[in-house]
Amino acid sequence: SQKIEQNSEALNIQEGKTATLTCNYTNYSPAYLQWYRQDPGRGPVFLLLIRENEKEKRKERLKVTFDTTLKQSLFHITASQPADSATYLCALPLNAGNMLTFGGGTRLMVKP
Amino acid sequence: KAGVTQTPRYLIKTRGQQVTLSCSPISGHRSVSWYQQTPGQGLQFLFEYFSETQRNKGNFPGRFSGRQFSNSRSEMNVSTLELGDSALYLCASSPGPQYTDTQYFGPGTRLTVL
Repeated sequence: SQKIEQNSEALNIQEGKTATLTCNYTNYSPAYLQWYRQDPGRGPVFLLLIRENEKEKRKERLKVTFDTTLKQSLFHITASQPADSATYLCALPLNAGNMLTFGGGTRLMVKP
Repeated sequence: KAGVTQTPRYLIKTRGQQVTLSCSPISGHRSVSWYQQTPGQGLQFLFEYFSETQRNKGNFPGRFSGRQFSNSRSEMNVSTLELGDSALYLCASSPGPQYTDTQYFGPGTRLTVL
């Protein structure tokens, strides 16, 4: 069956360092992958979308890679700040509609 | 533009009751999706509507239903509530119909079933 895996353990890093989060998937050949940020008690907020023919995408301090051979996406936050502390979710489409399947999310804690 | 709004924000019901949640998408958005989020199962897709038609449905029992109106506003209904239905219910809108459209989520409705 189709599966998306994110590290369920919280990632604790020091301010200023680069945070790297992983999203692995099985039995998928997604046309794209999305990353969202979610703060406690709030809905997810869209961050980046990367398509299957793109190896890397950047937006300010964020960088996403997409390796369709490894079936893996890496999400990097450079020069991390305490305000980056949140849960980060990856999501892939199950079909041509907006039926996104989300990973369980990884909680990032950036300590000053 | 105003964001996605959901009402009510909090709801407490008892087992066996039914509940209706409402979602107003961003103006101009025609696609509305509903998700259930729980600590154990994470964020799970319920259904998606585009132009008043249900395009996709997740793996939930028939007690969960929804509809979309001509102004793109959407409602979801859960009948015969069970304790396990306690969750954060999130609505997301997108311009549609492209599947690569960004999903804009509302703040959610926190449903507690006692």
